[in-house]
Amino acid sequence: EIVLTQSPGTLSLSPGERATLSCRASQSVSSSYLAWYQQKPGQAPRLLIYGASSRATGIPDKFSGSGSGTDFTLTISRLEPEDFAVYYCQQYGTSPLSFGGGTKVEIK
Amino acid sequence: QVHLVESGGGVVQPGRSLRLSCAASGFTFSSYGIHWVRQAPGKGLEWVAVISYDEDNKYFADSVKGRFTISRDNSKNTVYLQMNSLRADDTAVYYCAKAVGATQRGYFDYWGQGTLVTVSS
Repeated sequence: EIVLTQSPGTLSLSPGERATLSCRASQSVSSSYLAWYQQKPGQAPRLLIYGASSRATGIPDKFSGSGSGTDFTLTISRLEPEDFAVYYCQQYGTSPLSFGGGTKVEIK
Repeated sequence: QVHLVESGGGVVQPGRSLRLSCAASGFTFSSYGIHWVRQAPGKGLEWVAVISYDEDNKYFADSVKGRFTISRDNSKNTVYLQMNSLRADDTAVYYCAKAVGATQRGYFDYWGQGTLVTVSS
């Protein structure tokens, strides 16, 4: 099973700042089959990024994904109040599917 | 508009059973695999199970293998998760999610709102 480690666990930033979230895999993620989700309290996760760098339908371009192999990054260019949430990465290249432990982006 | 609605959650004693349902609309249900993902209170996401579009392929996380089964009724646009021999560590919100990609290699473009299962005596 591929273990995904997200860092940092919590990111304290102010609105307007840039957020950089990391997702590291215990082995190479085949074909860059990595997705990112946003989850707000009491809500289901929402797909942001798939294929490591492709934005899902309706996702603004302030969200961008990059990386390959074992190291992936989600960047939020300028944080807005609605972006403060928990973010999860997920690999879907190798069975079983697995998620990272999440990064909470909180208001500083 | 794609909608997934879970139901069937509740409080159940350890060792008992519960069946969750996931009713879908807004897409060609019989063409897509459906997954279950759970989230224990205050914790992260854990993949649980998947069923292929034609019910031919079913896969489970090791943590539920042998206790949970999955099925679907394409005439009713519904997927079921039968949970037997429930344990306290099965307590979680259970989400169903529409898959994109092959059965064992999918990501999730739409999620239901979740249903809470609490296993407690």
